[in-house]
Amino acid sequence: DIQMTQSPSSLSASVGDRVTITCRTSHTISSYLNWYQQKPGKAPKLLIYAASSLLSGVPSTFSGSGSGTDFTLTISSLQPEDFATYYCQQTYSTPQTFGQGTKVEIK
Amino acid sequence: QVQLVQSGAEVKKPGASVKVSCKVSGYTLTELSMHWVRQAPGKGLEWMGGFDPEDGETIYAQKFQGRVTMTEDTSTDTAYMELSSLRSEDTAVYYCATYDNIVGATHYWGQGTLVTVSS
Repeated sequence: DIQMTQSPSSLSASVGDRVTITCRTSHTISSYLNWYQQKPGKAPKLLIYAASSLLSGVPSTFSGSGSGTDFTLTISSLQPEDFATYYCQQTYSTPQTFGQGTKVEIK
Repeated sequence: QVQLVQSGAEVKKPGASVKVSCKVSGYTLTELSMHWVRQAPGKGLEWMGGFDPEDGETIYAQKFQGRVTMTEDTSTDTAYMELSSLRSEDTAVYYCATYDNIVGATHYWGQGTLVTVSS
């Protein structure tokens, strides 16, 4: 199975801050990397697919980059509604696997 | 727009089985590739399996092989996930979600079904 390592596991930030979350995979996965946002009690929401493609309707403050084994989710200017937990997911091989999550909290 | 509505919360005893349903609207089930993901309380997301349209078969994570069965009733556009031999570690919220094979991501999600396994 491909192991996913997200960092940090949590962070505190203020509205307007630039936030970067990284995801490293144990094997190369090309660009088969997705990012999800999850708020408490809610289902995950797809933000970015194929490492860097922004899903329609997702604010442009979100961006993704990377390929191979190292990936990044960036929030250029953190908004109040962005406080949530973020997960990366690889769909390069079965079983699909997720990172352990990064909780973004209000400073 | 795809909408997925799941069945309600369940409480089961260890050793029992549970069957969670996921009703599709907005599309027909035959147009979609349905996957299942679970999340234990306070934990991360875990992929359980789903339909692979390239093979025309359902693939399961090895961890659940032999205990999980995912089926579909195309007459009612309802997908099902049945997990047997339940143990306390199976206590989790179970999500159905549509997998978009073109973009390689899980796009639409159900609201989740809490399954509690307790004696």
